[in-house]
Amino acid sequence: DAGVIQSPRHEVTEMGQEVTLRCKPISGHDYLFWYRQTMMRGLELLIYFNNNVPIDDSGMPEDRFSAKMPNASFSTLKIQPSEPRDSAVYFCASSLADYGYTFGSGTRLTVV
Amino acid sequence: DAKTTQPTSMDCAEGRAANLPCNHSTISGNEYVYWYRQIHSQGPQYIIHGLKNNETNEMASLIITEDRKSSTLILPHATLRDTAVYYCIVRPSSTGTASKLTFGTGTRLQVTL
Repeated sequence: DAGVIQSPRHEVTEMGQEVTLRCKPISGHDYLFWYRQTMMRGLELLIYFNNNVPIDDSGMPEDRFSAKMPNASFSTLKIQPSEPRDSAVYFCASSLADYGYTFGSGTRLTVV
Repeated sequence: DAKTTQPTSMDCAEGRAANLPCNHSTISGNEYVYWYRQIHSQGPQYIIHGLKNNETNEMASLIITEDRKSSTLILPHATLRDTAVYYCIVRPSSTGTASKLTFGTGTRLQVTL
């Protein structure tokens, strides 16, 4: 199994641009989570899905952030418009019910 | 979710056992103790979890006190590759569902030669 696959690994964009982060969960996993990590705030849960349905998006910082999961093998996290304070490492994770989460390698986003 | 308290940092000599403590005095009866670690620049990695019995797997052992108010993660023979931030997390677990993991600041373990 290739694990959770995230793309791109690194993204540098200008303020105001749209950014789309992608995630392919492990086949068969029914939960998908998006986290953000910064030095100041640590690891924060943004949103999670169960069977492709968003369950809790209370961690999404504002309306500029949106996440979708059109099918069981793909999810996106979109920021529009991006701001410098969105610079962080964004992690996607998947799990099968209550078994341990498997995290991807993350996307390092820099907004200049 | 119950709050956890961990030391900010610890050192361990390579080849020795690393014992990482975690206090969770407000843990509820249905809450599990989970341990994850994050090696620099990588995503967090699941290590082990338990409810009230001690648990062991190929990576580590988890010792939970009888009153469940604290636990210790044991890496029996630490290597330089075990240098990481270790997170102790308490969360409820229900059959067939998952609940969100809330990460604290963890313990930064430095394994030295």
